[in-house]
Amino acid sequence: SQTIHQWPATLVQPVGSPLSLECTVEGTSNPNLYWYRQAAGRGLQLLFYSVGIGQISSEVPQNLSASRPQDRQFILSSKKLLLSDSGFYLCASSQGANYNSPLHFGNGTRLTVT
Amino acid sequence: GESVGLHLPTLSVQEGDNSIINCAYSNSASDYFIWYKQESGKGPQFIIDIRSNMDKRQGQRVTVLLNKTVKHLSLQIAATQPGDSAVYFCAENNGDSWGKLQFGAGTQVVVTP
Repeated sequence: SQTIHQWPATLVQPVGSPLSLECTVEGTSNPNLYWYRQAAGRGLQLLFYSVGIGQISSEVPQNLSASRPQDRQFILSSKKLLLSDSGFYLCASSQGANYNSPLHFGNGTRLTVT
Repeated sequence: GESVGLHLPTLSVQEGDNSIINCAYSNSASDYFIWYKQESGKGPQFIIDIRSNMDKRQGQRVTVLLNKTVKHLSLQIAATQPGDSAVYFCAENNGDSWGKLQFGAGTQVVVTP
């Protein structure tokens, strides 16, 4: 089964500072990878997804970017954080491509921008 | 726009009773649905999924029912336990097979002794 590792678990950053959140996946190869954001007490919003190395699709315009340098590594970045970037960031993985399978989530990074 | 939503934001259930969590969806193109459980400070945990060619699927103590006629999805938990206290999300794929899910707002389930 897939295991998704995310770090750090919590992060407090000042406005205008850079961001780098990392996610790695074990137990599968060539997964689809996703970054979701969850506001307090709300559902999940898809930010980025990737179907392969170097392939990134953005779902919403924002201050963030994503990269996939290796098959099972997914990185979420920002050059200058905004207060509105605060939230709970979740990395997820699913099997292969072009058929439905459940997403498996990591335990998230809680980002507070001050 | 089309969306996934939940009827009840909070559900209080007595330990040992059965729980029913409801979800409405409006995108008729959706053909894959998933229920997730999220405990405080953790990522969502997969519970059960169902495809549109089925109307019922059972797992361990859980049953998902899909009514395509009225675009309604439900999760039934049998003999609810304290460990079932969590937020439950339904998600639909909007007809997309690449795993891009749209999530509802969630239902908080509170199990009382």
